[in-house]
Amino acid sequence: DTGVSQNPRHKITKRGQNVTFRCDPISEHNRLYWYRQTLGQGPEFLTYFQNEAQLEKSRLLSDRFSAERPKGSFSTLEIQRTEQGDSAMYLCASSSPGTGDYGYTFGSGTRLTVV
Amino acid sequence: KQEVTQIPAALSVPEGENLVLNCSFTDSAIYNLQWFRQDPGKGLTSLLLIQSSQREQTSGRLNASLDKSSGRSTLYIAASQPGDSATYLCAVNLNTGNQFYFGTGTSLTVIP
Repeated sequence: DTGVSQNPRHKITKRGQNVTFRCDPISEHNRLYWYRQTLGQGPEFLTYFQNEAQLEKSRLLSDRFSAERPKGSFSTLEIQRTEQGDSAMYLCASSSPGTGDYGYTFGSGTRLTVV
Repeated sequence: KQEVTQIPAALSVPEGENLVLNCSFTDSAIYNLQWFRQDPGKGLTSLLLIQSSQREQTSGRLNASLDKSSGRSTLYIAASQPGDSATYLCAVNLNTGNQFYFGTGTSLTVIP
């Protein structure tokens, strides 16, 4: 197992375009999380999946944001009509209740720049 | 809402020094607390995870303590090295895995 994988690593897009990011969690982890991190700040929670079910969404997740996790495996995060304020690092993490500790393993993140 | 504060925001120390990073949280009803390291422009690397029933965890030169009743955790780094230079983030989990609340981090520079 190579850990949590995120693609792409960097994305530069023009304002108004749609972008999609992908996250592949650790295979035995059934929980998957998306966070957003802006410069100088800690990560902020966006949404959380248990298997394929999206169980919680932050108010930060506006109508332009949508996340999916088909079949409870990889997940995608789409941002429609991007704005300059969407520029941030988007982080994915996974965890498993099987270990009993619910500790997170993070991916390397996708850095989005909206120009 | 859980508020997590990390002090100091930045710290610069000479190589070899022992140091302590502080984390405080407002809601003591936590499930666990996790310390992470983040290098510039990179993702987060887990350092130590402490369950609410535990008082401390150790890994190599790192020791994390938890005082749930006072809403505090500390990360102790022994014999600091230039490779320890990074931002250290503290995160607390109120429920069984729903979300972590993060502090804004302590930026550590270890001077050779």
